[in-house]
Amino acid sequence: GAGVSQSPRYKVAKRGQDVALRCDPISGHVSLFWYQQALGQGPEFLTYFQNEAQLDKSGLPSDRFFAERPEGSVSTLKIQRTQQEDSAVYLCASSLSGTDTQYFGPGTRLTVL
Amino acid sequence: AQSVTQLDSQVPVFEEAPVELRCNYSSSVSVYLFWYVQYPNQGLQLLLKYLSGSTLVESINGFEAEFNKSQTSFHLRKPSVHISDTAEYFCAVSRRGGAQKLVFGQGTRLTINP
Repeated sequence: GAGVSQSPRYKVAKRGQDVALRCDPISGHVSLFWYQQALGQGPEFLTYFQNEAQLDKSGLPSDRFFAERPEGSVSTLKIQRTQQEDSAVYLCASSLSGTDTQYFGPGTRLTVL
Repeated sequence: AQSVTQLDSQVPVFEEAPVELRCNYSSSVSVYLFWYVQYPNQGLQLLLKYLSGSTLVESINGFEAEFNKSQTSFHLRKPSVHISDTAEYFCAVSRRGGAQKLVFGQGTRLTINP
């Protein structure tokens, strides 16, 4: 009965490095969301998957951000050529369907030096 | 598009005192409303939600919120707080129908003093 898990919990990257953040949703959850939470702010939507289909990526801040969910389960958020403004907590949430309650993971805290 | 405003970034109260955390939203379409709580060193947890029906919704730990359509508000209240209620509280909305991407407010940090 595990909840949503994310790895790594903490990531430090040098500016310009690529990073990959992993999300394991609750088993059987069709919908998966990524959010970005800057320090002192509320989470902001990045992208949404229904199974393996990425139905909404309107919140991705630039083309350096890319997300995938190839088998409709685990998802990876990749950030290329990281910048200092990418420093934030990245949250993953899953739900049974797009209209059900979202359950959040603990987040990955990314610090770009 | 939707937006959420939480008017207080920090709210300090004494234990056993009542508290109200304010939330106002803006939307051109009908919305669902949520309060999420983030305890220290933990992830976001759903506290309560309004989807339809009675405008007063309650959580299992004594919080309640009332949807006021005319004032576009969804304030969170508790008549008597405990030390364990210390946390950050986020109000959020999502558009009715379609995928439920959440739009969050900036959060209110509730600090309970003994």
